[in-house]
Amino acid sequence: KAGVTQTPRYLIKTRGQQVTLSCSPISGHRSVSWYQQTPGQGLQFLFEYFSETQRNKGNFPGRFSGRQFSNSRSEMNVSTLELGDSALYLCASSLGTGLYGYTFGSGTRLTVV
Amino acid sequence: DAKTTQPNSMESNEEEPVHLPCNHSTISGTDYIHWYRQLPSQGPEYVIHGLTSNVNNRMASLAIAEDRKSSTLILHRATLRDAAVYYCIISNFGNEKLTFGTGTRLTIIP
Repeated sequence: KAGVTQTPRYLIKTRGQQVTLSCSPISGHRSVSWYQQTPGQGLQFLFEYFSETQRNKGNFPGRFSGRQFSNSRSEMNVSTLELGDSALYLCASSLGTGLYGYTFGSGTRLTVV
Repeated sequence: DAKTTQPNSMESNEEEPVHLPCNHSTISGTDYIHWYRQLPSQGPEYVIHGLTSNVNNRMASLAIAEDRKSSTLILHRATLRDAAVYYCIISNFGNEKLTFGTGTRLTIIP
């Protein structure tokens, strides 16, 4: 079966711009989580959506937002980009509880210049 | 979430067993122990999880101490493809997020 698909794979943006990243979960998975990975901070949880509702949120500023659609696809938006937002953004999906494991995508590499 | 302590790095010879330790002394009774690994240029990959009893699957085994304050991920016969960063994560059922530590970078020597 198809895995978690993240688009685009690579992105270069300028400071001050905004960006939208997309994640298509595994068919049947209703939970989508987002993570940021940087060399300095490692993997950090951004937020999690289940049935179009944000169920959990990490410690990131309000410039980071997300949403989930009725087909479980999710988007993440970062407004007013800063150089420090350069990172690998990973999306993970699950049936609804991580008890059965999360499946991660390969990520979107965002570079802010 | 309970904090975990793992060695920064480990080396193992190919085709030999590997034991990756993890300490989680503040684990609570309802916390699950999860292991994920991240191969180069990929997202993390689920390996195994458990609550109290030892667990086996096609990828690995998880040995959990009786007091649950530590656990060990066992790769029975390491291959070069097992070279990755291995993360031990403590997560409560219903708390739908993973708190990653720095993990253990496993190097496999041919």
